[in-house]
Parts: sequence; structure tokens; C-alpha cells
Amino acid sequence: DVKVTQSSRYLVKRTGEKVFLECVQDMDHENMFWYRQDPGLGLRLIYFSYDVKMKEKGDIPEGYSVSREKKERFSLILESASTNQTSMYLCASSLPEPWLYTDTQYFGPGTRLTVL
Amino acid sequence: AQKITQTQPGMFVQEKEAVTLDCTYDTSDQSYGLFWYKQPSSGEMIFLIYQGSYDEQNATEGRYSLNFQKARKSANLVISASQLGDSAMYFCGANSGGSNYKLTFGKGTLLTVNP
Repeated sequence: DVKVTQSSRYLVKRTGEKVFLECVQDMDHENMFWYRQDPGLGLRLIYFSYDVKMKEKGDIPEGYSVSREKKERFSLILESASTNQTSMYLCASSLPEPWLYTDTQYFGPGTRLTVL
Repeated sequence: AQKITQTQPGMFVQEKEAVTLDCTYDTSDQSYGLFWYKQPSSGEMIFLIYQGSYDEQNATEGRYSLNFQKARKSANLVISASQLGDSAMYFCGANSGGSNYKLTFGKGTLLTVNP
């Protein structure tokens, strides 16, 4: 079974702090993703990575950066946390299929981040 | 770009009955995939079922089936014999071929199964 883990289930930080959210997958997947989920807005893609050191912006990258130094690990960084970044953050990974549209993404348990 | 619409913010169903959760999508791509995920109150997103745009038969996985109507651009999820544990948020998603691996989601439907 695919296992995607996230470093924390719940996190409370203060405005202006630098925040690191870590995600690790154990299935040797090339692709990794960070989403945020807000009530009424569904899931929105922040960043994704299709290889080590490779990244692409998603729909809402502002205020975030990412790092992928190893294949199994994808980090989301909030350089200076703000209250509007209070949200549920979900990490996912997928193995590219021969036909790209058949990729199935597998999700971690999520991190509920509160910025005070 | 994909756009996913789930028009039912909430649905109720009696235990053991079947329920259909609606999903329509809007894409100009010829090749795409359609997905359904379940999110219980604990927060994790659980993959349920996948349908490819070229698949002629509707996908089924146990009690889940995907009613795929390509001309209508709809991909409704049917859950048969509902169980109390099916109470959760359900998200429809789609991606498409090309260099963008992005999965676009609808806003979700909250399903409540009543005993």
C-alpha cells in the first residue's frame, strides 16, 4: 500500500514565523503535490514536483515555496506565516502512468495549521 | 483547463439505500481521467474510483460505481447499500494528458447516512 505521511496533524504558529510542513512517501513516486483545503473552496493546488529539485507552481503559490532535495520528501515552506494561511494542508504523491491522465494521487492525513 | 462542478453541497441517505453524487466537468481535452475521493472527518483523502475518458465501460469498485456519460460530461458516483461509515465529504476530480499533472477538484458533497 502507498504510504504518505505528514510531519504533524496539528500545528499552531504565530504570524511572521517560518513554517515547514514535511511530507514523505514510501512508494518511490516521481510526482508530489501540496494542496490547501478551505471550507467552500475545495482543494487548491499550491505547488507540485515531478522530480527531485523540479517544481511547478499550482493555482495559489503566493506566500509559499517548496523544496524537494530527495525523491521521497517534499517540503512546503511558509516564509512568513500569515493568518490567511490558516488552513488544512494536504500532501499527495503519484506514480506517472504511461498515459498521464491515468495518474492516481494518494494523499497523506493532512496538517491543520493555525496561524495566530 | 478543467472545471469540476458538484452541485450538491449536502446529501442525506438512509442506511442500506443507494445514493448518487453528481459531478460534471468541463474540458476541451480529448484524454482525461476522472476520480472520486472520500474524506472522512479525520481528514485524509481516500481514493475510491477512477474512470478514463476512453473507457467504454463504467468503472466499478465494490459498492462504488461511476456513471460516466461522456456526451453530457458527467461522472456521477453511485454508492450502493449505504453504510454509516460512508458519511463523509466526497470530492470529484479530473486531470488531463500533457505535461501538467494537475488534478482539479470540485468543492465536494457532504454525505450523511442515517440509521
